[in-house]
Amino acid sequence: DSGVTQTPKHLITATGQRVTLRCSPRSGDLSVYWYQQSLDQGLQFLIQYYNGEERAKGNILERFSAQQFPDLHSELNLSSLELGDSALYFCASSPTRELYEQYFGPGTRLTVT
Amino acid sequence: GEDVEQSLFLSVREGDSSVINCTYTDSSSTYLYWYKQEPGAGLQLLTYIFSNMDMKQDQRLTVLLNKKDKHLSLRIADTQTGDSAIYFCAEKYTGNQFYFGTGTSLTVIP
Repeated sequence: DSGVTQTPKHLITATGQRVTLRCSPRSGDLSVYWYQQSLDQGLQFLIQYYNGEERAKGNILERFSAQQFPDLHSELNLSSLELGDSALYFCASSPTRELYEQYFGPGTRLTVT
Repeated sequence: GEDVEQSLFLSVREGDSSVINCTYTDSSSTYLYWYKQEPGAGLQLLTYIFSNMDMKQDQRLTVLLNKKDKHLSLRIADTQTGDSAIYFCAEKYTGNQFYFGTGTSLTVIP
């Protein structure tokens, strides 16, 4: 158990809908990272937040957004969902702003039908 | 460049050594990592190496880095059935950009 929690574990929704994925980092970790893992694209970095502020951006679509709250939990919002958004979404946390080690949550499996 | 390549599959017999290879294209990476992903689980950090090191050993794991050839390898000694999983190499670039390889599925045959 990495100490990173993610909810929900599974989510099934229809195209065009909007969902919110939630992540709680390890106690004391200030950075949160979001990743998407799909069969065709592999594991892709989406975005990083550090202590409430956006720190780095990867291949995140404009339909997706994230935020980190004062209690350091983070939410990833996915809107206007398409079939191709079906994937595993992982959150990871690390203690500092710079990434040296990161600890992954168990993931949320999103299925868009 | 952000291409990180791994072979897709590797099978070894229990007790043998496993060597999982990774090649990358961008020489500006600062840290290189190995992660393990078991079915239905998140990624578990196994070990990492700073880009100015050649080798790092951690119990049964040995990481070798050849910067000239942009080649990273993970050797698992005395491979056990519990080592069956997908192994990802990953690179960190400046600015916290982080790229993962395609993953190698390791099967350990009893």
